Amino acid sequence: AQTVTQSQPEMSVQEAETVTLSCTYDTSENNYYLFWYKQPPSRQMILVIRQEAYKQQNATENRFSVNFQKAAKSFSLKISDSQLGDTAMYFCAFMKLPPNKLIFGTGTLLAVQP
Amino acid sequence: EAQVTQNPRYLITVTGKKLTVTCSQNMNHEYMSWYRQDPGLGLRQIYYSMNVEVTDKGDVPEGYKVSRKEKRNFPLILESPSPNQTSLYFCASSLRQGGSGANVLTFGAGSRLTVL
Repeated sequence: AQTVTQSQPEMSVQEAETVTLSCTYDTSENNYYLFWYKQPPSRQMILVIRQEAYKQQNATENRFSVNFQKAAKSFSLKISDSQLGDTAMYFCAFMKLPPNKLIFGTGTLLAVQP
Repeated sequence: EAQVTQNPRYLITVTGKKLTVTCSQNMNHEYMSWYRQDPGLGLRQIYYSMNVEVTDKGDVPEGYKVSRKEKRNFPLILESPSPNQTSLYFCASSLRQGGSGANVLTFGAGSRLTVL
């Protein structure tokens, strides 16, 4: 069975600084997808970034980028130029098709300090 | 606006009183799923549906029922709620296959359920 591990329950960063959230996963599959979701205080689940395992190039979305190391089964999220609005719980998640089941880590609570 | 709509958003009930949390999507998605979120555990899948009349258990199905009579609706039923079902519930949907959106789940806003 697949598992996702986020070893940092809480993190803090100063506004405008860069922070990296860690995620490791365990799977015997070769084709899968990885995601980072953001959950602000509103509790809405917001997709931050996704990565297809067959793509070697790391995904990037504006200030958010990932470091995908397939052999090491590592999928970290880097947030550059942190903003107060980035304060949220961040979940790493794994998906194998079919079905479209997401397996989540336990989350990292990120606080951006002014 | 493309969205997944859950109701109610908040509910306080008592042990044993049957309740239903509704979920509806307007994106013509084949796949729908329910998750529960508990502190320190992340989100865990309860049930999912690959299409109309096709449902299957997720990782924590005990105490829940679902149905998929129409493509757009996927209600979650708690026949006899217990306090350990106090949680935050999310409905999500996606295309089943084909295209870049097939693996992207759209989540509802969440339903906070308290069972006394």
